Amino acid sequence: QKEVEQDPGPLSVPEGAIVSLNCTYSNSAFQYFMWYRQYSRKGPELLMYTYSSGNKEDGRFTAQVDKSSKYISLFIRDSQPSDSATYLCAMSRGSTLGRLYFGRGTQLTVWP
Amino acid sequence: GAGVSQSPSNKVTEKGKDVELRCDPISGHTALYWYRQSLGQGLEFLIYFQGNSAPDKSGLPSDRFSAERTGGSVSTLTIQRTQQEDSAVYLCASSEPLRDTQYFGPGTRLTVL
Repeated sequence: QKEVEQDPGPLSVPEGAIVSLNCTYSNSAFQYFMWYRQYSRKGPELLMYTYSSGNKEDGRFTAQVDKSSKYISLFIRDSQPSDSATYLCAMSRGSTLGRLYFGRGTQLTVWP
Repeated sequence: GAGVSQSPSNKVTEKGKDVELRCDPISGHTALYWYRQSLGQGLEFLIYFQGNSAPDKSGLPSDRFSAERTGGSVSTLTIQRTQQEDSAVYLCASSEPLRDTQYFGPGTRLTVL
């Protein structure tokens, strides 16, 4: 079993829809949680960053972390065609412990 | 400001040849990471540098893979005697001291024929 599980999709929604993306994980030591967006043939771009449990909102994006369930989510409101990309969840144990652990990524298409 | 840069952007090589991939991190970022992304897969960790030392090399898949970092800045990932299964996008990322947020470069797409 991988440490981070993410449904690869693909997910296809109409413009304006609310999109829900999620990941589960098995390592209770993870403390920092991130979402990256990756456009085709580009490097991942940091979208959201949260520490421990709770919600964080940034414009149309909301990240949720539920450490008791080992479950994280990213919600995109009023989705736009420009949101079409692969979304990768990532997590780490702490700033001195280096590497990020990634999910496989969910491919999202928002059609006009 | 300038982001993480990687060169070359694309590399096609023949099986058995050696290749060198370069990463220039964001200025002032002390931590540097190499990851590999194969088609349809998530990012696979390779190696992590803090300054010029590598406290975590656990992701290097074989002794054909090596990496170094000099002057606390540029890093080179070397793959010797390349195999077809080495074909992937090699991504470099850097982060500020004691911060978890990693900023990625555009990657080097390696194709081994």
